[in-house]
Amino acid sequence: DQQVKQNSPSLSVQEGRISILNCDYTNSMFDYFLWYKKYPAEGPTFLISISSIKDKNEDGRFTVFLNKSAKHLSLHIVPSQPGDSAVYFCAAIRGANQAGTALIFGKGTTLSVSS
Amino acid sequence: GAGVSQTPSNKVTEKGKYVELRCDPISGHTALYWYRQSLGQGPEFLIYFQGTGAADDSGLPNDRFFAVRPEGSVSTLKIQRTERGDSAMYLCASSLGPGARYEQFFGPGTRLTVL
Repeated sequence: DQQVKQNSPSLSVQEGRISILNCDYTNSMFDYFLWYKKYPAEGPTFLISISSIKDKNEDGRFTVFLNKSAKHLSLHIVPSQPGDSAVYFCAAIRGANQAGTALIFGKGTTLSVSS
Repeated sequence: GAGVSQTPSNKVTEKGKYVELRCDPISGHTALYWYRQSLGQGPEFLIYFQGTGAADDSGLPNDRFFAVRPEGSVSTLKIQRTERGDSAMYLCASSLGPGARYEQFFGPGTRLTVL
C-alpha cells in the first residue's frame, strides 16, 4: 500500500512557465516531507523540505506547499528551466527527530521543460 | 569533496548466484542507508546503519539479503541465491547523523540484473 503517492507519472511545461508537481500521503504520522530530484545515471539529490508544522517553504525558484488537512503537498518551480528536466520524488519521514528515519518515497514524476 | 560512491555500477548475474554490492559513504557520515528502486517505482528502504550496527533492517525482503558495515564506513549488501525479482537499482545513502535534519546524500546506484 503506497503511503506516498505521486499520481502524475509525467508533466510537460514550457520554459519560463510554472511547474506544479503534486504529492498525496496517507499516513498522518508523517512529520517531515522532502523533494528529491534525479537525473539519469545519478542518485537522487535533495531539493527542498518542509516540516509538518509549516505550510510553506521557499528556496529560490522552488516552493513547497503543505496542506495537512488534505494530506497533500506540492512543489512549484517558477520559472521553469530546461535544466529542471528530471524525475522528481516526493518523500516523507515519520518521527523526524528519531534515529534511523528512512525516507518513504513516491513513484516519481518526470518533468520535461521545453525551450 | 567526494560524494557517495557505489561499485560496481552495473552487475549482471545468473539466477541462483551470490552477489555483493559495495557502498563508500561520505567521510565522517555515521548514518548509512540502503534502498532498492524497481522499474517505475520510487526507492524503497532496505536497511539502516548507525556506525557499525544495523539499527533497522525491517526493509530487507527476506533472509537472502544481508548487509554489513564492519568498520563503520564502507558497507556491503549481500544477496544470496539471487532471483529474477531481485533485479533493480540498489541505492546507498549516507548522512552526518540520524534524523530528518541531516540530509541523506545518495550514490549513483548499482544496477543489478539477474538473468
